[in-house]
Amino acid sequence: GAVVSQHPSWVICKSGTSVKIECRSLDFQATTMFWYRQFPKQSLMLMATSNEGSKATYEQGVEKDKFLINHASLTLSTLTVTSAHPEDSSFYICSASFQPNEQFFGPGTRLTVL
Amino acid sequence: AQSVSQHNHHVILSEAASLELGCNYSYGGTVNLFWYVQYPGQHLQLLLKYFSGDPLVKGIKGFEAEFIKSKFSFNLRKPSVQWSDTAEYFCAVSSGGSSNTGKLIFGQGTTLQVKP
Repeated sequence: GAVVSQHPSWVICKSGTSVKIECRSLDFQATTMFWYRQFPKQSLMLMATSNEGSKATYEQGVEKDKFLINHASLTLSTLTVTSAHPEDSSFYICSASFQPNEQFFGPGTRLTVL
Repeated sequence: AQSVSQHNHHVILSEAASLELGCNYSYGGTVNLFWYVQYPGQHLQLLLKYFSGDPLVKGIKGFEAEFIKSKFSFNLRKPSVQWSDTAEYFCAVSSGGSSNTGKLIFGQGTTLQVKP
């Protein structure tokens, strides 16, 4: 149980375009979803916390207008990278939680911006 | 602010060798501590966690970790590693008790390479 999926797993886009990444909890209802960014050979950096039906809480230094997060249902959260640039290229990982001390991670989405 | 430091960035061991990966955290209050593993091409999986109680925590696949409060440490150990333990290991911390938001702060990660 406790499976989290992400779609797409890999996306390549042109600079200036927007990209949407989906995170779904497949077999449980996630009251909270988290979005992380992972650079090569580095740790996961928390970008934002998303609670179902409310606005996301962004970490310091993360541009909320650039990284739009929507958590419209208990099984789906989306991250939209708006006007993507090459420096936004990274591995984006979501996790889903139905209680504070347990997160289940998705497989990640590799974004490459040309 | 919370921070997590993992001392070993890249560890190479032969099969059957013992493993200890260091993790220190910086936080003044109650903490919850975690070790996650990321096998090549796979998502993060929880190895073990500590919230309270016995400071020696046993996890999956023969891993264990010891919480030493006085040293702000939560080192991961395994008596005998296998080739299949080759992976990236992450230590993480979250605020415990009433201030728990579930937010995880990760260490830099340690790449473990086990030679057959």
